[in-house]
Amino acid sequence: QKEVEQNSGPLSVPEGAIASLNCTYSDRGSQSFFWYRQYSGKSPELIMFIYSNGDKEDGRFTAQLNKASQYVSLLIRDSQPSDSATYLCAVKGRSGGGADGLTFGKGTHLIIQP
Amino acid sequence: NAGVTQTPKFRILKIGQSMTLQCAQDMNHNYMYWYRQDPGMGLKLIYYSVGAGITDKGEVPNGYNVSRSTTEDFPLRLELAAPSQTSVYFCASSVTGGGEKLFFGSGTQLSVL
Repeated sequence: QKEVEQNSGPLSVPEGAIASLNCTYSDRGSQSFFWYRQYSGKSPELIMFIYSNGDKEDGRFTAQLNKASQYVSLLIRDSQPSDSATYLCAVKGRSGGGADGLTFGKGTHLIIQP
Repeated sequence: NAGVTQTPKFRILKIGQSMTLQCAQDMNHNYMYWYRQDPGMGLKLIYYSVGAGITDKGEVPNGYNVSRSTTEDFPLRLELAAPSQTSVYFCASSVTGGGEKLFFGSGTQLSVL
């Protein structure tokens, strides 16, 4: 059974600070890692993906991957109230081209305080 | 280009009733998925399809059925609805099954009473 674990929060961060969201996964053979943002009552939207160990930056967002520790994180710099949402970590297993979808964590509820 | 369209947006069913959740995409994606999301929980895969005529079970398929007669449409059938099927249902599609971006529909909120 593949598992993806996240702290459900809420995580409260002051506006302008760095928000740090964490995720661990159980399947050591996992290949691809994704962060989705979900506003209340809306569908998830992809904000970042990472395949290789290290950091990947996209604007104010940085994804970090450590396969040895089975750990993925998302950093949001200069946090804005519009970043308040639930962030879902998702993992694609070792099946590679297989189409069995992603395994999602329960999500971390992030609140940016003005 | 509408993306992924789901209907209905809301539905209340009585225990034992049946219904079909509709999903259509206009992006010519081969891969389509049905997820359910319970309150405070992540998404769980119900069924998926790699192309017209091909479907397979996901993590939580019991109580559901799917079909894929065309590339565009991937309906989800609930037979003999139960309170445990109260959830938000999301349909999604992707270009390939390799784990790149999923395009989600807006969801169907279903209550079984």
